[in-house]
Amino acid sequence: NAGVTQTPKFRILKIGQSMTLQCTQDMNHNYMYWYRQDPGMGLKLIYYSVGAGITDKGEVPNGYNVSRSTTEDFPLRLELAAPSQTSVYFCASSLPTWTGSNEQFFGPGTRLTVL
Amino acid sequence: GQQVMQIPQYQHVQEGEDFTTYCNSSTTLSNIQWYKQRPGGHPVFLIQLVKSGEVKKQKRLTFQFGEAKKNSSLHITATQTTDVGTYFCAAAIYNQGGKLIFGQGTELSVKP
Repeated sequence: NAGVTQTPKFRILKIGQSMTLQCTQDMNHNYMYWYRQDPGMGLKLIYYSVGAGITDKGEVPNGYNVSRSTTEDFPLRLELAAPSQTSVYFCASSLPTWTGSNEQFFGPGTRLTVL
Repeated sequence: GQQVMQIPQYQHVQEGEDFTTYCNSSTTLSNIQWYKQRPGGHPVFLIQLVKSGEVKKQKRLTFQFGEAKKNSSLHITATQTTDVGTYFCAAAIYNQGGKLIFGQGTELSVKP
């Protein structure tokens, strides 16, 4: 299993540009998450999904959008990139909480710089 | 929103010294998880604590969950250079699905 994969690894955007960060998992996990991590800080939840067709906002959703058309994929869309969105973005997945084993598996991250 | 406070933010130790990081919530937690992130890497799951007063050990690492399920700690005995990284607690709140609230992490550096 590849686990959670993210593309691209690095990206530089100009202010106002848009892009999609890709995330795929092959563990058949229902739950998927997007976090951002700013230097020296913890992880802030942007959006999450408990299954295909279902998404919900996390702590810092402004400026982002997500979709979940399949169990495997959970892309994150940035519209009108701003310098404040410079960060490292992590995608994660887990089994549902009722399984009692809801540890999150993280992808390698995407380092995004907005200039 | 709900927050999880983690202290200290940084800890510099000599190899062989012990290390402890603490995590506190104002809300009773469903469970708490601990993750390690190596420099330049991604968070990796270490352990999950569910029961009040639970203590779990992984070699030199000891994890505790408070009796009131509002605090937790991670203790490393006799640190090694391989322990370098940032340790995060992540709290699961009741009726919040699979969402976790991460502490800001404790960055551990170990001087050989």
